[in-house]
Amino acid sequence: DAKTTQPPSMDCAEGRAANLPCNHSTISGNEYVYWYRQIHSQGPQYIIHGLKNNETNEMASLIITEDRKSSTLILPHATLRDTAVYYCIVINNNNDMRFGAGTRLTVKP
Amino acid sequence: SQTIHQWPATLVQPVGSPLSLECTVEGTSNPNLYWYRQAAGRGLQLLFYSVGIGQISSEVPQNLSASRPQDRQFILSSKKLLLSDSGFYLCAWNLGYQETQYFGPGTRLLVL
Repeated sequence: DAKTTQPPSMDCAEGRAANLPCNHSTISGNEYVYWYRQIHSQGPQYIIHGLKNNETNEMASLIITEDRKSSTLILPHATLRDTAVYYCIVINNNNDMRFGAGTRLTVKP
Repeated sequence: SQTIHQWPATLVQPVGSPLSLECTVEGTSNPNLYWYRQAAGRGLQLLFYSVGIGQISSEVPQNLSASRPQDRQFILSSKKLLLSDSGFYLCAWNLGYQETQYFGPGTRLLVL
């Protein structure tokens, strides 16, 4: 069973920041937070991951709360191509990745 | 750079027919390899993973099997397909249990 809770869907205006929340209140000290996205009919694409510090790469930023019970994925300037299902996962063993239902993000012009 | 391939991209098979899906990884050695299934509108379910040639761990009992005949080749098989085997099959790889998994493009299987 997935250990995370995400809203089923969100909308975002093109060019605006998309902030996708994830609750993981039962996360343990050695579990990482990973984010993937899946565009229709394609394999999941890795976005970013972190343990307790905030992380940023060319795709997104990951903000993890101090108690690590929740996190937010930020797409700074959403484009229509960012429309996808976004999955938040917490894992300490990458041999056991369990994806939940994710958040369906729709970027609108 | 590393790439992962899956084929076929789409497959329509009758109930009771055999299945063979192939996954290959390029640009790396001794990867961990994974097979997942995604039912329509659902999350991913881990089916099998392998940490080396001939080593297969099964996560879910079913009529599917997996084999790893070569270091960078992972095969998903069935002797007799069921209607419930329909879904989107994804192969993934990483370099260790602490490392990020990267997914292939997937195979969409429809069993009729």
